[in-house]
Amino acid sequence: KNEVEQSPQNLTAQEGEFITINCSYSVGISALHWLQQHPGGGIVSLFMLSSGKKKHGRLIATINIQEKHSSLHITASHPRDSAVYICAGYTGTASKLTFGTGTRLQVTL
Amino acid sequence: DTEVTQTPKHLVMGMTNKKSLKCEQHMGHRAMYWYKQKAKKPPELMFVYSYEKLSINESVPSRFSPECPNSSLLNLHLHALQPEDSALYLCASSQDPILNTEAFFGQGTRLTVV
Repeated sequence: KNEVEQSPQNLTAQEGEFITINCSYSVGISALHWLQQHPGGGIVSLFMLSSGKKKHGRLIATINIQEKHSSLHITASHPRDSAVYICAGYTGTASKLTFGTGTRLQVTL
Repeated sequence: DTEVTQTPKHLVMGMTNKKSLKCEQHMGHRAMYWYKQKAKKPPELMFVYSYEKLSINESVPSRFSPECPNSSLLNLHLHALQPEDSALYLCASSQDPILNTEAFFGQGTRLTVV
């Protein structure tokens, strides 16, 4: 069983819509990364969270440690936001990231 | 400089060839990672270097041989690969291998084995 579960797997939105991607993780994961990957491209780190909330431009990430749940929100979505969004849990004791399966987002005009 | 630079961006190699992938960072990070990513799948960890020493090998076949010549460089030497090894190979680095620090990824090398 994967220690990091993401939903939804696929998401289509119209430009301007508010988008939420969810991530649940298991015990032992001490921090969550949200990553973005465009088709055929490398990975860009959006946020790393171990508590609370972070905001960067139109992106907001939250984490609830008690519920072991994190969300990535995109406000006023735009076609250039189309990408795969991946949450990854950091297991400090194992010095590695465990990746979710990713959410494929398509934002249309 | 917050970049992880990987070269080459694309590589086509035959099954009898020997080639190397290179990764470089100048952020003073002491942990460096190799990941393999197949299409529409999440990255899979291959190796972790911690303070220039190999700390994790995720049971990777010996036809993949990592090397960390110094704290800024990470190589992945390839020999006698199979077509199923074709994938995107991603390098990443983070400030510390143990503490919760942000990971920075390179753009990857897209490898095709023919």
